[in-house]
Amino acid sequence: ETGVTQTPRHLVMGMTNKKSLKCEQHLGHNAMYWYKQSAKKPLELMFVYNFKEQTENNSVPSRFSPECPNSSHLFLHLHTLQPEDSALYLCASSQEKRDLPYEQYFGPGTRLTVT
Amino acid sequence: GQNIDQPTEMTATEGAIVQINCTYQTSGFNGLFWYQQHAGEAPTFLSYNVLDGLEEKGRFSSFLSRSKGYSYLLLKELQMKDSASYLCAVGDSNYQLIWGAGTKLIIKP
Repeated sequence: ETGVTQTPRHLVMGMTNKKSLKCEQHLGHNAMYWYKQSAKKPLELMFVYNFKEQTENNSVPSRFSPECPNSSHLFLHLHTLQPEDSALYLCASSQEKRDLPYEQYFGPGTRLTVT
Repeated sequence: GQNIDQPTEMTATEGAIVQINCTYQTSGFNGLFWYQQHAGEAPTFLSYNVLDGLEEKGRFSSFLSRSKGYSYLLLKELQMKDSASYLCAVGDSNYQLIWGAGTKLIIKP
């Protein structure tokens, strides 16, 4: 496997279900991200992990819960979601450098539909 | 607030040239990125500008004017495979990327 992988690629879940999205990066990067992408809207940054520590949580509802067990793996745990949470969820990674912006590498995304 | 503006959709002809504009208002500036995203696929990095001027990379070029809060992506010799969405993103004072909604580029034969 190379780059950033995400599973599953597609997920349909009811509002009472609990599911998890998985992301794995094979690039040796030290930062990982979860984004939400809705049609015709900008990418919304949800969570950022640097060196396994969560450094960003942009007012995301508690029904989304991230987990970063090591620098290569990132999970997004989902429970009691709402239909408006249906979107493409993208994982990305980057190699953070001091005082420099950094190119992010994206996974293919999980297309989530909440019924 | 922070804002990135780019046109929602553009149409161009195969073999032609197209310019996609991006204007931004952000708290701080740490570089501007352009990404390409084909339908159903991940965004992929195209270019990065941090100083004013033009950066050329093959058929693609990106321009930046920091004083005007303005950038454009120039695509030459358009090919059908260039049909995609083009995302503009700016690094803010916290080195986080602020994203535009993307410009969907349609290439016609």
